Amino acid sequence: DAGVIQSPRHEVTEMGQEVTLRCKPISGHNSLFWYRQTMMRGLELLIYFNNNVPIDDSGMPEDRFSAKMPNASFSTLKIQPSEPRDSAVYFCASGSTGRSYEQYFGPGTRLTVT
Amino acid sequence: GENVEQHPSTLSVQEGDSAVIKCTYSDSASNYFPWYKQELGKRPQLIIDIRSNVGEKKDQRIAVTLNKTAKHFSLHITETQPEDSAVYFCAASMISNQFYFGTGTSLTVIP
Repeated sequence: DAGVIQSPRHEVTEMGQEVTLRCKPISGHNSLFWYRQTMMRGLELLIYFNNNVPIDDSGMPEDRFSAKMPNASFSTLKIQPSEPRDSAVYFCASGSTGRSYEQYFGPGTRLTVT
Repeated sequence: GENVEQHPSTLSVQEGDSAVIKCTYSDSASNYFPWYKQELGKRPQLIIDIRSNVGEKKDQRIAVTLNKTAKHFSLHITETQPEDSAVYFCAASMISNQFYFGTGTSLTVIP
């Protein structure tokens, strides 16, 4: 099993540009979580999906952020327009509500907005 | 919603000593408590977890204890080694729901 896959691993963009982060969960998992990690705010849950349906997006900072999960094997997190304060490491994690309770994290995307 | 507090925020121990990290939670409905280890520049990785029907769980040098009445749980690392140096996060969850993470403990093991 390849684990959770995220791309890109690093992204540097200019303020105002659109950024799209991608995640492929572990095959067979039906829950997917997007987190943001910064030194100041720690690990924050942005949104999570069960069976491709968004369950709780209360952590999404503002309308500039959106997330989709069109099928069980792919999700995107989009920031449009990006701002310097969005600079962080964004993690995707997946889990299975049916069998066990663990969440497994992807390697993360380090986003820098200049 | 759930609120998880974690202490201490930083911890330094001599190699071979024990380290203890404590977390409290607020929602008595939480029933799953994982611990993650995050090395610098890496992803959080699950190291041990405990469910609410168990009071203690061990895995080699790592153990977790849970006190449901007091709503707190702790991570114990014995015979610490330099490779144990990392940030450790606790979390609380109602199974199949989201995790509520603590703020992390930066553990340094001094050789």
